[in-house]
Amino acid sequence: TQLLEQSPQFLSIQEGENLTVYCNSSSVFSSLQWYRQEPGEGPVLLVTVVTGGEVKKLKRLTFQFGDARKDSSLHITAAQPGDTGLYLCAGGFQGAQKLVFGQGTRLTINP
Amino acid sequence: DVKVTQSSRYLVKRTGEKVFLECVQDMDHENMFWYRQDPGLGLRLIYFSYDVKMKEKGDIPEGYSVSREKKERFSLILESASTNQTSMYLCASSGGWGNTEAFFGQGTRLTVV
Repeated sequence: TQLLEQSPQFLSIQEGENLTVYCNSSSVFSSLQWYRQEPGEGPVLLVTVVTGGEVKKLKRLTFQFGDARKDSSLHITAAQPGDTGLYLCAGGFQGAQKLVFGQGTRLTINP
Repeated sequence: DVKVTQSSRYLVKRTGEKVFLECVQDMDHENMFWYRQDPGLGLRLIYFSYDVKMKEKGDIPEGYSVSREKKERFSLILESASTNQTSMYLCASSGGWGNTEAFFGQGTRLTVV
């Protein structure tokens, strides 16, 4: 069974602080995606990374795919209360139609 | 705007009832998925379908079945609901053919009493 481990599981910080969330596996992925889920809603895709070492930015969010395509990180600069939510990473394998999800990081940004 | 729509946001059912959860997507996607989400356990795949009338078991198929008679619709069936099936159920679709980017419905919170 391929596993994705996310850390930390819970994170509560003050508005304006920076943070990093990690997603690690012993498996090599062909692609890795990050989703954000707000309470009572389904997850929404934020980004997909496919190349080892790839970095993508989405406003104050920076996503990086590890060189070996086994891990990824999400860095948020100057966090805002609107960033609060559950962040999920999900890995895809070559030729496979389904994703493997991490257990999520529940992020709370306090005003 | 792409859309995955689940038939109910909240459901309360009695133990032993047969429960149908419906999901419709308007993106002409090949793949459709049913997950359940429980605190601390993340998203667990119940069943998925990569074509009409085709289905494959996920990680936790016991107590569930699915139906995909049309490309846009994927139904999850709880044959005899039990209290341990109380959960948030999420439907998703993806384009297929190597495209795994998933679009999720809003979720159905099912309570079995």
